[in-house]
Amino acid sequence: DSGVTQTPKHLITATGQRVTLRCSPRSGDLSVYWYQQSLDQGLQFLIQYYNGEERAKGNILERFSAQQFPDLHSELNLSSLELGDSALYFCASSVGPRGGNTDTQYFGPGTRLTVL
Amino acid sequence: DQQVKQNSPSLSVQEGRISILNCDYTNSMFDYFLWYKKYPAEGPTFLISISSIKDKNEDGRFTVFLNKSAKHLSLHIVPSQPGDSAVYFCAASQNYGGSQGNLIFGKGTKLSVKP
Repeated sequence: DSGVTQTPKHLITATGQRVTLRCSPRSGDLSVYWYQQSLDQGLQFLIQYYNGEERAKGNILERFSAQQFPDLHSELNLSSLELGDSALYFCASSVGPRGGNTDTQYFGPGTRLTVL
Repeated sequence: DQQVKQNSPSLSVQEGRISILNCDYTNSMFDYFLWYKKYPAEGPTFLISISSIKDKNEDGRFTVFLNKSAKHLSLHIVPSQPGDSAVYFCAASQNYGGSQGNLIFGKGTKLSVKP
């Protein structure tokens, strides 16, 4: 158990809909990262928040947005869903703002999103 | 353009033998490299890492080798055990001189260790 929790575990929805994925980081971690793993793809970095502020942005679509709340949990909002958005969405957390080097990123179990 | 490549989607090894997983990268600015292990229905778990100032890091049965000139790293598991069967992801980051803390992942190699 990494200490990172994600809800829900599974989500099935229809095209055009909007969903919210939730992540609670490990106790004491200030950074939250979101990654997407599609079929046959590695984990693709979407966005990072550090202590409530957006820190870095990756390949995140304009239809997707995220935020980190004062209690440090984070939500990833996916709207106008398309079939291609079906994927595993992982959240990770780390203590500091630079999630590499000695600032290890710990991953949650993921949310599997299926868009029908 | 994939900056981190794991060209072998799968690898099968006999229990007790050595497993060698390979990873290539293209961005010479990467200065930290990590290996994550992932079991089905779980998130990736950090396994071992290496800084670009080193060429080898060892942790028990796991050793990571870095060849900067070839932009290549490898993970050696000796001896391999059936519990090592998982998908292994290579990842890289650019910490010094870079503003982002995110990891760039390869597509993974599925290791099967047969009893």
